[in-house]
Amino acid sequence: QKEVEQDPGPLSVPEGAIVSLNCTYSNSAFQYFMWYRQYSRKGPELLMYTYSSGNKEDGRFTAQVDKSSKYISLFIRDSQPSDSATYLCAMASPPGAGGTSYGKLTFGQGTILTVHP
Amino acid sequence: DTEVTQTPKHLVMGMTNKKSLKCEQHMGHRAMYWYKQKAKKPPELMFVYSYEKLSINESVPSRFSPECPNSSLLNLHLHALQPEDSALYLCASSQEGFSGQYFGPGTRLTVT
Repeated sequence: QKEVEQDPGPLSVPEGAIVSLNCTYSNSAFQYFMWYRQYSRKGPELLMYTYSSGNKEDGRFTAQVDKSSKYISLFIRDSQPSDSATYLCAMASPPGAGGTSYGKLTFGQGTILTVHP
Repeated sequence: DTEVTQTPKHLVMGMTNKKSLKCEQHMGHRAMYWYKQKAKKPPELMFVYSYEKLSINESVPSRFSPECPNSSLLNLHLHALQPEDSALYLCASSQEGFSGQYFGPGTRLTVT
């Protein structure tokens, strides 16, 4: 079983739809949760960062973390064709003493999203 | 300014060549990372530098040699690569206390 599971999709939605992307994880030590957006042949772009549990909103994007269920979500409201990309969830444990595990990320497999006009 | 820059954008090299990838950040981050990403896969961690010292080497073959000349720069020296090393090489950085890693645009490497 992978530490982080993410449905690879692909996911295709019409413009204006609400998109829900999800990841589950098994490692209870994860405290930092991130969502990255990656356009084709580009580097990942940090979209949302959350520490521990709770919700965070930034414009059309909302990230939710439920540590009791080991489940994180990213919601995109009023989706646009420009949102078409691969979305990667990523998680990290607190850095170890001496910085030996400084922010090591564990990624999901990524979900390919297409928003069509 | 949350920018990490990488050069070159594209690199084609033969199996006997020696080349270097460069990464730069001016965000004052004290951790820098090299990742390798194959098509339709998530990034795979290769190396982590923390305060300019190598803190993680994910059992990467010795034909990849990282170097951190100062807190803003990170290099990856390449020698005697194999065709299966062709991939997108990503650099990232993060600040002390950790609030996410910021990635550069990557160098697309092709080994012929």
